[in-house]
Amino acid sequence: EIVVTQSPGTLSLSPGERATLSCRASQNIGNNLDWYQQKPGQAPRLLIYAASSRATGIPVRFSGSGSGTDFTLAISSLEPEDSAVYHCQQRSEWPLTFGGGTKLEIK
Amino acid sequence: QVQLQESGPGLVKPSETLSLTCTVSGGSISNYFWHWIRQPPGKALEWIGYIYYNGNTDYNPSLRTRVTISLDTSKNQFSLKLNSVTSADTAVYFCARRDDNSGRWYFDSWGQGNLVTVSS
Repeated sequence: EIVVTQSPGTLSLSPGERATLSCRASQNIGNNLDWYQQKPGQAPRLLIYAASSRATGIPVRFSGSGSGTDFTLAISSLEPEDSAVYHCQQRSEWPLTFGGGTKLEIK
Repeated sequence: QVQLQESGPGLVKPSETLSLTCTVSGGSISNYFWHWIRQPPGKALEWIGYIYYNGNTDYNPSLRTRVTISLDTSKNQFSLKLNSVTSADTAVYFCARRDDNSGRWYFDSWGQGNLVTVSS
């Protein structure tokens, strides 16, 4: 199965700063990667699909990039409500696999 | 706007069968792929498997020998059964939808999750 690795495990930044979250796949997955945001006690919410397309209703400060094995989720100017765990997930091959998540803390 | 809601026991004894149901409201169960995903406390999300509205299924190889997903179109529900559970199966279980037929190969709707604890 394809192993998905996220880094860092935890990120602590201040409002207004830029966040950069990384996701790496163990083999080439093209652009078959999605990003989800999960707040405590809630289900994940789709942020980015196909590596770089923003889902409906997602603010423009969220952007995704990358292809092949290396991907990035960027949040251009952090808001307090961006505090969450961010998951990436590959859908290139079955079984679908998720990264371990990056916890983003807003100071 | 489709809504998904998991239901089922919050506590299951070791070696018994975990059973959960996901009720779909605000939309039809037809033409979509319906998935189960779980999240052990403090750990990563794990895909369990899916059922298509025609009854076709696929499962994570790591769970294939113990898992069954079924569908009840008359009730707009699909269900998960996981046999011979251990403490490693303690997790929040989510149901989710994917619209593969429209090229939307991502989870666009999720249930709120159902915490299942395996303990005697």
